[in-house]
Amino acid sequence: NAGVMQNPRHLVRRRGQEARLRCSPMKGHSHVYWYRQLPEEGLKFMVYLQKENIIDESGMPKERFSAEFPKEGPSILRIQQVVRGDSAAYFCASSPGQGRGNEQFFGPGTRLTVL
Amino acid sequence: GENVEQHPSTLSVQEGDSAVIKCTYSDSASNYFPWYKQELGKGPQLIIDIRSNVGEKKDQRIAVTLNKTAKHFSLHITETQPEDSAVYFCAALNTGTSYGKLTFGQGTILTVHP
Repeated sequence: NAGVMQNPRHLVRRRGQEARLRCSPMKGHSHVYWYRQLPEEGLKFMVYLQKENIIDESGMPKERFSAEFPKEGPSILRIQQVVRGDSAAYFCASSPGQGRGNEQFFGPGTRLTVL
Repeated sequence: GENVEQHPSTLSVQEGDSAVIKCTYSDSASNYFPWYKQELGKGPQLIIDIRSNVGEKKDQRIAVTLNKTAKHFSLHITETQPEDSAVYFCAALNTGTSYGKLTFGQGTILTVHP
């Protein structure tokens, strides 16, 4: 059973460009979470999605950031007009959402560098 | 909202010694407490978790204790090995009102010297 998959693993963007981060949850998992980890800091919650629905986006910056989890395909975290402060590791986690649904399993992350 | 404090920020032990990492949380309604291990360049790996209806849980060399009254929980690693070296994060969650929003501590860098 493959784990959570994220791509790309490393992404370099210049200021003003767009960044698209993709996450495929574990098989059978319908809940996806995005977290951001700044250098030498803990993980900060950004958004929680189920298929085609945003459940909690309380951790998302109000501007330039958006997320989706379509009926088909991976979850996408999109950052428009990136700035240097967006440089961080972005982790996706998934959970089955049933019974032991509290357990979140993390992917390897996408390390975004904004030049 | 929830706030999780984790101590110490760095911990250095000799192989074979025990390591203890402590976390406190602010929201008394939090009822799920996982611990993650993160190795360099990788994503966090769930190593053990505890729910508020139990006070202690063990899995081989690792154990977690929970004191709901004091609102703190701890990770205990016995007979440490060099491969235990990593960053460890605690987290807290109220499954009733924030189904998926884990609040993490700041992390502890554990170094196990051979």
